[in-house]
Amino acid sequence: DQQVKQNSPSLSVQEGRISILNCDYTNSMFDYFLWYKKYPAEGPTFLISISSIKDKNEDGRFTVFLNKSAKHLSLHIVPSQPGDSAVYFCAARGSTSGTYKYIFGTGTRLKVLA
Amino acid sequence: ETGVTQTPRHLVMGMTNKKSLKCEQHLGHNAMYWYKQSAKKPLELMFVYNFKEQTENNSVPSRFSPECPNSSHLFLHLHTLQPEDSALYLCASSQEVGSPQETQYFGPGTRLLVL
Repeated sequence: DQQVKQNSPSLSVQEGRISILNCDYTNSMFDYFLWYKKYPAEGPTFLISISSIKDKNEDGRFTVFLNKSAKHLSLHIVPSQPGDSAVYFCAARGSTSGTYKYIFGTGTRLKVLA
Repeated sequence: ETGVTQTPRHLVMGMTNKKSLKCEQHLGHNAMYWYKQSAKKPLELMFVYNFKEQTENNSVPSRFSPECPNSSHLFLHLHTLQPEDSALYLCASSQEVGSPQETQYFGPGTRLLVL
């Protein structure tokens, strides 16, 4: 059973508009969340993070929102630029028997149209 | 450039071959990870090393054998692989497993094809 889900495999947005990428999780004990961006033939690049004790974190054009009651995470990119076209992964950190590990979603492919 | 390098970037091997993947991080981190990414599947954690000690083996078949000689280097030794092992293998590092704002930084990956 997948604990971290990105239900939209792809998203297209016009340049200059807002991109909203969503992520749902099932484990209420996850304590830290990350968003990564991945271009073809490259590894995932860290974008932005949020702790479970916060509900919003902002870094330039990127804002992550956390709704713990809904177990929902979203990444807002505004304004969207063609260079933002990539696959975006969310990841959630959980612990089991004192060990920590990240669980990743399957990714959403964002295409920003010029 | 994330400070994590992986070699080779591409590898084709037969099922009877033995090969090794190498990862090196230049970030001064103490934790290193191997992940597997298969088509249309999420990243799957394979192994975790924290301060050179293996802390996680995510039920990985013994045909994959990790080695962490120091905090900067991580290897994945491969032998008698199966075609279904074809995937992108990603290495990552972080300051320390479980640190409050632990962020993992990834290398570019090794694209492996098993024939």
